[in-house]
Amino acid sequence: QSALTQPASVSGSPGQSITISCTGTSSDVGSYNLVSWYQQHPGKAPKLMIYEVSKRPSGVSNRFSGSKSGNTASLTISGLQAEDEADYYCCSYAGSSTLGVFGGGTKLTVL
Amino acid sequence: EVQLVESGGGLVKPGGSLRLSCAASGFTFSSYSMNWVRQAPGKGLEWVSSISSSSSYIYYADSVKGRFTISRDNAKNSLYLQMNSLRAEDTAVYYCARDRLGAVTTYDYWGQGTLVTVSS
Repeated sequence: QSALTQPASVSGSPGQSITISCTGTSSDVGSYNLVSWYQQHPGKAPKLMIYEVSKRPSGVSNRFSGSKSGNTASLTISGLQAEDEADYYCCSYAGSSTLGVFGGGTKLTVL
Repeated sequence: EVQLVESGGGLVKPGGSLRLSCAASGFTFSSYSMNWVRQAPGKGLEWVSSISSSSSYIYYADSVKGRFTISRDNAKNSLYLQMNSLRAEDTAVYYCARDRLGAVTTYDYWGQGTLVTVSS
C-alpha cells in the first residue's frame, strides 16, 4: 500500500487561508469517508484535527475544515495564526488488510 | 483525562528484540481498538499495527508482518508490541494511539512516544 500524496510544504501569511491536498486512490481515499488529518508540532505527538473527512473533534478550532472530491481529500485552514505552523498529515482507511495509510506530511509555514 | 504512556524503547542491535508497552488511563480501555504508529527520524507517520477491543481482530503493516506481535491486557489497561528480528529501518519513535469509537483509523489520542534505535 503506497502512502497518500501530500505537498511537501505550503505557506501563508497570518489571516490568510491555505489548503493542503491529500491524493490517494480508489482503494483508499476514493472508497471510504474515513479520512483524518493530524497536526504535529516539533517534538510533540500528533493531534487529531479532522476525522471522517470533515468532522471536527471537540476543542478544535472551526478555522480547520476538511473536504473530499474523488480520490483527493483537502484540509483548509482559514485565518492563519502563528501557532498553526506545524506538520500536517492525512490518513485514510485502506481496506480490511492494510487498515491505515498516511500521507507523507506537509510542512506549513506561517510567514 | 485520557492518558497513554509508552515505555520499553531503547538501543538494540540488528536482529534483536524489544517489547514496548503502553499504559492507558482515563477511559474504558476494554472498549477501544488500539494501534501502534511509528515515525522514523525526520520522516512521516507510518501505521504499524492495530488490535480490536477484545483482541479478536489484529492487523499489521506489510513492513512488520511476521516480525512484530501486538497484544493487549484489558485487565491491566495495557497495550504491547513485541518486536523481533529488528532492522535498522525499524528505528523510529513508536506511538500508542487510540481509535475513536466507531471510526477505524481515526486516532483521537496519542501517547508521547518511545524511541527505538536499531544499530550495531
